[in-house]
Amino acid sequence: AQSVSQHNHHVILSEAASLELGCNYSYGGTVNLFWYVQYPGQHLQLLLKYFSGDPLVKGIKGFEAEFIKSKFSFNLRKPSVQWSDTAEYFCAVNARNTDKLIFGTGTRLQVFP
Amino acid sequence: NAGVTQTPKFQVLKTGQSMTLQCAQDMNHEYMSWYRQDPGMGLRLIHYSVGAGITDQGEVPNGYNVSRSTTEDFPLRLLSAAPSQTSVYFCASTSIGYGYTFGSGTRLTVV
Repeated sequence: AQSVSQHNHHVILSEAASLELGCNYSYGGTVNLFWYVQYPGQHLQLLLKYFSGDPLVKGIKGFEAEFIKSKFSFNLRKPSVQWSDTAEYFCAVNARNTDKLIFGTGTRLQVFP
Repeated sequence: NAGVTQTPKFQVLKTGQSMTLQCAQDMNHEYMSWYRQDPGMGLRLIHYSVGAGITDQGEVPNGYNVSRSTTEDFPLRLLSAAPSQTSVYFCASTSIGYGYTFGSGTRLTVV
């Protein structure tokens, strides 16, 4: 069965700091990979997705993620965070031969001015 | 284009009561899913559907039923609510090649 691990449960940064959130998945086959963001009191919004092609994916709001197949990882990065990036971030994996989207437990990001 | 619409937004139930959470999408997506979100546990898949007439269980299906009589609608039924079902519920839909679109959620409290 597929599973997703997000090892950083709570990250606290100052504005302008760089961000990297880890995401590892366990599944031997081909996968689609996603990062979602949930701002306080809101529903999930898609930040970026990887289906195939260039493993470095650029998303909205300056976020990017790199798919490293050999490490089963899809880490999220942003060079300089803003206070408005305070939110919870979820990595998710969808195995190509199923239709189930499985989420990690999420990483809460707090950015202080 | 409304996307994914969930109703109600808030609900309080007594233990043992039944109710249906509604989910509708207007994007002609084949796939629809129900998740529950609990602190520290992320989103866990309850049930999903790959098309009208087809449903399957996710990670935490016990206590919930679903049906998919049309492409647009995917209701989630709680037959006998329990306090352990207190959670925020999200419906999502997608089509091949797209990311999932989520509804705004239903906050359910079972007392």
